Amino acid sequence: AQSVTQPDIHITVSEGASLELRCNYSYGATPYLFWYVQSPGQGLQLLLKYFSGDTLVQGIKGFEAEFKRSQSSFNLRKPSVHWSDAAEYFCAVGARTGTASKLTFGTGTRLQVTL
Amino acid sequence: SQTIHQWPATLVQPVGSPLSLECTVEGTSNPNLYWYRQAAGRGLQLLFYSVGIGQISSEVPQNLSASRPQDRQFILSSKKLLLSDSGFYLCAWQGARWGTEAFFGQGTRLTVV
Repeated sequence: AQSVTQPDIHITVSEGASLELRCNYSYGATPYLFWYVQSPGQGLQLLLKYFSGDTLVQGIKGFEAEFKRSQSSFNLRKPSVHWSDAAEYFCAVGARTGTASKLTFGTGTRLQVTL
Repeated sequence: SQTIHQWPATLVQPVGSPLSLECTVEGTSNPNLYWYRQAAGRGLQLLFYSVGIGQISSEVPQNLSASRPQDRQFILSSKKLLLSDSGFYLCAWQGARWGTEAFFGQGTRLTVV
């Protein structure tokens, strides 16, 4: 069965600093991978996804992620964090089951941004 | 464009009472539909998914059930709520094509008292 590990429960960065959120996955086939962001009390918004092709994926709000098959990782990065980026971030791996696709999520990383 | 509606936004229910949460999708046909639960400090747990009308797959044995009476309607129910049913419930839809992302509703905060 597939799984996702986000080793950092909580990260604090200063506004303007760079950010990297870690994600490791386990999946027996070629994965498709996602990063979502969740503001308090809200649903999840897709930041970016990797399905195939270029291993460096660009997303919304200035985020990018790099797929590294050898490390089973899909880390999320942003060169300069803004205070509005404070939220919870979830990495997910997609798996096919019959005619459906199921996403397995990590436990999330809560990002705090200090001014 | 596609939109997903989920209601109510918040709900406080006594133990032993019934539950019905509704989710509807607009702007797409034959979506795959999902119910997730998010407990405090934890990730999202997939509860049910559906690939078509009347087709429900359960991921976790529990006190809840799901139904899909129409193509773009997905309902989460319980006959008798337990304290452990408290949480944040999210409905999502995905296209049937492999590799598509999931789109989420705004969620329902359920508190069982």
